[in-house]
Amino acid sequence: KAGVTQTPRYLIKTRGQQVTLSCSPISGHRSVSWYQQTPGQGLQFLFEYFSETQRNKGNFPGRFSGRQFSNSRSEMNVSTLELGDSALYLCASSSQGATNEKLFFGSGTQLSVL
Amino acid sequence: AQSVSQHNHHVILSEAASLELGCNYSYGGTVNLFWYVQYPGQHLQLLLKYFSGDPLVKGIKGFEAEFIKSKFSFNLRKPSVQWSDTAEYFCAVNAYSGGGADGLTFGKGTHLIIQP
Repeated sequence: KAGVTQTPRYLIKTRGQQVTLSCSPISGHRSVSWYQQTPGQGLQFLFEYFSETQRNKGNFPGRFSGRQFSNSRSEMNVSTLELGDSALYLCASSSQGATNEKLFFGSGTQLSVL
Repeated sequence: AQSVSQHNHHVILSEAASLELGCNYSYGGTVNLFWYVQYPGQHLQLLLKYFSGDPLVKGIKGFEAEFIKSKFSFNLRKPSVQWSDTAEYFCAVNAYSGGGADGLTFGKGTHLIIQP
């Protein structure tokens, strides 16, 4: 079974631009969660999608948005990039969600904002 | 909102030493508790989890953790560490609020180095 796939692996953008990250969950998994990982703040929850609906949202500004498609693949978009958005963005999938089962994480997308 | 505190950011031990990594959370309601591990060059993966029942839970690779509700703690333990246990360890909490479960809240991680 293929694991969680995130593309691209690395991205370099400049301030003010927007970026879209992609995540393909494990086959059969309907929940996709996104996390931001930085050295200073650690792992922070962005949002979770389940069956194309946003089920939970963390404390991030509206510049961070996401969506999930009918095949459970998910995209995350960050608009008007700021230097502080530089981070590793991790996607995780599970069949039902993070409430009572383990998450399977991808390798992440390393975003650098210059 | 819940928060998770991991006591040590860096821990260095020799092989065969005993390990205990501290984790405390702040939330008074129902919680699910997790330890995740990230080995060098690998994905984050689940080490063990607690939902209910026996507060002493056993995970993979000989790890265990004890949930002490009165202390809001979920410390990770291993009686004898190996060089291959070198990794970053994250404690995480999933709290239940009025509308259901929220996303996972992670601690900032403990970087464990095992010296041969």
